Formats: sequence, structure tokens, C-alpha cells
Amino acid sequence: GDSVTQMEGPVTLSEEAFLTINCTYTATGYPSLFWYVQYPGEGLQLLLKATKADDKGSNKGFEATYRKETTSFHLEKGSVQVSDSAVYFCALNSGGYQKVTFGTGTKLQVIP
Amino acid sequence: DTGVSQDPRHKITKRGQNVTFRCDPISEHNRLYWYRQTLGQGPEFLTYFQNEAQLEKSRLLSDRFSAERPKGSFSTLEIQRTEQGDSAMYLCASSQVEGRDEQYFGPGTRLTVT
Repeated sequence: GDSVTQMEGPVTLSEEAFLTINCTYTATGYPSLFWYVQYPGEGLQLLLKATKADDKGSNKGFEATYRKETTSFHLEKGSVQVSDSAVYFCALNSGGYQKVTFGTGTKLQVIP
Repeated sequence: DTGVSQDPRHKITKRGQNVTFRCDPISEHNRLYWYRQTLGQGPEFLTYFQNEAQLEKSRLLSDRFSAERPKGSFSTLEIQRTEQGDSAMYLCASSQVEGRDEQYFGPGTRLTVT
């Protein structure tokens, strides 16, 4: 079945540091890939997505590239801010009814 | 567009009691999903509706769980004879039918079974 593996947290960075959160997946066919973010006390929000190989999703300074050859979708940001502190979930869907499979989440804490 | 809403946001109940949660999806979305999220984990799929038809149920959805979506609008998730292991965040999401559109999530209902 489908699965998503992402790096364990928590990740603690200083403000303006470079962020990478690794994500790899196993899926049948050609899944769409997503990063969701969950801020403290809030629901899941879509951060970015990519629907085919070599696509790059981007939003709010975050980027991730769909790498089919390495089955990866790593999240990057060049300069993190305190307001980026949240839990980040890598996810995919490949089923006919679009069930989303999530990773376990990576907690990011950015300190001033 | 008011987004996906869920009610209640928090529910504390005693073991053995029944609870019911409601989800109102984005109005033009045909598909509605329920997920469960436990502490430190990602959401896990429970069940899916297209319009009023329940098309898939996860093995996680025991006989004590039932979901409905009358008239293809809002949905309810009922848990009978709650157990402490049912304590979790219950998330609802909705999406459109065509393509592989992303799912839009509600704020969740946090259930605590004492």
C-alpha cells in the first residue's frame, strides 16, 4: 500500500536558517504529492502541491520538487521565521477516490 | 466561502457513552472524508463519501463507528460505547470530484474519553 516517510522531529532552527524536511514515498501509479502545515491549535492547511514528476510546488517561500527517480518530495525554505513554527506533514494521494496518506509529521520550532 | 466547519470543537465523554460529531463541507464539494489523528501521528483515513454514498471504509472503522451523509450535504460521525482508545482528533475534509484536487480540512473535533 501507499506510505509516506518523513524525517522525525522536532527540528529546532534559528531565525533565518535554511530548512530542509525530508520526505520519501511509496505508491502505486503516479500520485499527487502535498505538504500540509498545522499551526498550534489550528487545522491542517495545504502548503503546496505537485501533481507530476519534476513539478515544483511553492508557497510562502517554501518549495518542494517531485522527484520520481528518488520517490522524494523534500520541503525547503531558504530563511525561516518564528511564524513558521508548526508541524509539517508530507502526504500523497493515488487512489481512485483520492484518499490521502500522511506521514507522521515533523515539528519545526524556530527560535529568535 | 466559509471553509469546512466541524462541531463541536472539543468533546469530553465518559467511557461507554455515545458521541456524535458533525461536519459541514465546502458547499460545492461532492466528496467528504473523515480522518482520525492521534498525538504525534499523521491523520489516518476512516471513511469517504461521494455525495450521499459511503464508498469506502477503513479497517480502523470498527462496528462502533458509523458515518452518514444524508442528502449529500453535512455528515455525522457517531461513536457508540466509547473507549479510551477512541481519544483523538477527528478531522473532516472535502474536495471536488474532478482531478486530484487537494482536500480542505476542517479544524477538527478533539475527543477525550475518560
